[in-house]
Amino acid sequence: DTAVSQTPKYLVTQMGNDKSIKCEQNLGHDTMYWYKQDSKKFLKIMFSYNNKELIINETVPNRFSPKSPDKAHLNLHINSLELGDSAVYFCASSQGRLAVTDTQYFGPGTRLTVL
Amino acid sequence: AQKVTQAQTEISVVEKEDVTLDCVYETRDTTYYLFWYKQPPSGELVFLIRRNSFDEQNEISGRYSWNFQKSTSSFNFTITASQVVDSAVYFCAVAGGTSYGKLTFGQGTILTVHP
Repeated sequence: DTAVSQTPKYLVTQMGNDKSIKCEQNLGHDTMYWYKQDSKKFLKIMFSYNNKELIINETVPNRFSPKSPDKAHLNLHINSLELGDSAVYFCASSQGRLAVTDTQYFGPGTRLTVL
Repeated sequence: AQKVTQAQTEISVVEKEDVTLDCVYETRDTTYYLFWYKQPPSGELVFLIRRNSFDEQNEISGRYSWNFQKSTSSFNFTITASQVVDSAVYFCAVAGGTSYGKLTFGQGTILTVHP
């Protein structure tokens, strides 16, 4: 059983399109995250949600909008895709009651390529 | 503010050699957590260890060991008798106690183990 899953694994799209990446965790965790890994492998947090509430919102263009329908899911919607959005996007989850730093377990990543 | 520096961009060793990956961190929090993750060529992020700032005991797990030195803000990772399967990018990360789980990653060290 996959603990943190993401779909799709690969996403190739044209500039200007809107796309979504889905994330689900079956660990019963309260907190979920989105990270972006650029072409130089640098990992940076984008958002986190705790029990469907937005907790961390880093300096990310507002074309990126996370949505958490329930605490097991955190989807990432991206509007008007740009070339610079090409990256690997990782979802993660942690047991995390608010302000407790538990271990984050990552999904397999979604490689987004914008042409 | 949090920061992690992994000074070694790439390390190349021959199988069975021991190798140490350096990690220096910065955080203003008095309570904080340190992590190491492994990213093999397949791309997923694999959790290796979590250590809190009050526990300076070194840890050993099989061929892996970690040396936490609060005085020098370092959390180094040693692989003993390296194997080809250890080839991966290794990331060190810090999360301050007030960061609500925000992981700040270093830039990663690419380890290549040659047969």
